[in-house]
Amino acid sequence: GAVVSQHPSRVICKSGTSVKIECRSLDFQATTMFWYRQFPKQSLMLMATSNEGSKATYEQGVEKDKFLINHASLTLSTLTVTSAHPEDSSFYICSARGYQGDTEAFFGQGTRLTVV
Amino acid sequence: GQNIDQPTEMTATEGAIVQINCTYQTSGFNGLFWYQQHAGEAPTFLSYNVLDGLEEKGRFSSFLSRSKGYSYLLLKELQMKDSASYLCAVIDSNYQLIWGAGTKLIIKP
Repeated sequence: GAVVSQHPSRVICKSGTSVKIECRSLDFQATTMFWYRQFPKQSLMLMATSNEGSKATYEQGVEKDKFLINHASLTLSTLTVTSAHPEDSSFYICSARGYQGDTEAFFGQGTRLTVV
Repeated sequence: GQNIDQPTEMTATEGAIVQINCTYQTSGFNGLFWYQQHAGEAPTFLSYNVLDGLEEKGRFSSFLSRSKGYSYLLLKELQMKDSASYLCAVIDSNYQLIWGAGTKLIIKP
């Protein structure tokens, strides 16, 4: 299957700082990237969907000014958690899809964010 | 609204067989996935069904009935490493993935 690389895998930051998470599709062009967060013992929750070259579509309840998503190229999307707080501590996972008709989206390895 | 139901937790014995059920109500249907997720890791792909019937892949099989909005994942010859959460996900008419809450499978010796 296709490879999606997510970096970093773990990050600890101080409250009030910003953290950037990168998601790269290594061997295919990702027209759509999805960003999820997952709290312990819960399922994946879609935060936003981004299409290359256009603004991300955020799910209800997700603050777009806090979770900045950039999808400037067909192989890279970034999620920046701005002014992070302890409640933002979570597992963030990206997935990438080639074209809308593609059925499978491929996952990055996930990023464990801890805000202290 | 869109909804996917699967049991929260199941327990099975090493070497046995277990069936994890998933029922869904979604706006349109373009396929159903099963993923395995170990704690602290991203989900990994297990199977994809878009037509009715059984898909077999080694120790794992997945079944789909579109008319009933129902799928199951069958795991045979259970091994301790199969202890994980199993996520059912449906692609709706907008090609969005709708996720179930996952079933935590506990394997006992």
